[in-house]
Amino acid sequence: DQQVKQNSPSLSVQEGRISILNCDYTNSMFDYFLWYKKYPAEGPTFLISISSIKDKNEDGRFTVFLNKSAKHLSLHIVPSQPGDSAVYFCAASSGAGSYQLTFGKGTKLSVIP
Amino acid sequence: EPEVTQTPSHQVTQMGQEVILRCVPISNHLYFYWYRQILGQKVEFLVSFYNNEISEKSEIFDDQFSVERPDGSNFTLKIRSTKLEDSAMYFCASRSTDISYEQYFGPGTRLTVT
Repeated sequence: DQQVKQNSPSLSVQEGRISILNCDYTNSMFDYFLWYKKYPAEGPTFLISISSIKDKNEDGRFTVFLNKSAKHLSLHIVPSQPGDSAVYFCAASSGAGSYQLTFGKGTKLSVIP
Repeated sequence: EPEVTQTPSHQVTQMGQEVILRCVPISNHLYFYWYRQILGQKVEFLVSFYNNEISEKSEIFDDQFSVERPDGSNFTLKIRSTKLEDSAMYFCASRSTDISYEQYFGPGTRLTVT
């Protein structure tokens, strides 16, 4: 039951270029979306989020875009830096219940110097 | 900056033994969660806890699992009789308020059941 899908297991990008990580979801009840970054042997670190009432949220080099009709969101990192190399998880939550997070499988980003 | 802490970082146990994983959530947070990640798989929700009781649990969280907040700071996950398939990274997370969706995760405990 893959309610949140990240179809690209890995992505390689040159330093300074844009990284685009994609995520699709199937559950229409999701109304909040989050991106987490994870280094090996560490827990997921919250990066940026977006409410379903918005289509864009920006924080420094990170921008998340939401296309509700397509049930698709993307994370843009500009410019990419070697320190951005990590696994990025897309997560979704609904306002009902305990706000539990449903995660995608993650995309491993490698930024090449 | 406040952070979620977890102990131990790695726990090795024999099948059938009880384990207790410990977490100290961020101090002013009200909602607490346990997730797990089996190697190579996605992070999965186990249980949420608010106001000293379980608010929601997944089908993974069966009778072998229990959670407790024994004092004002610790939040624990107990597995009564561990199985090989319980081997995973266990993450604790906390969330501050009713209107905040963001959860902050600890570094995890790697549980190895032999």
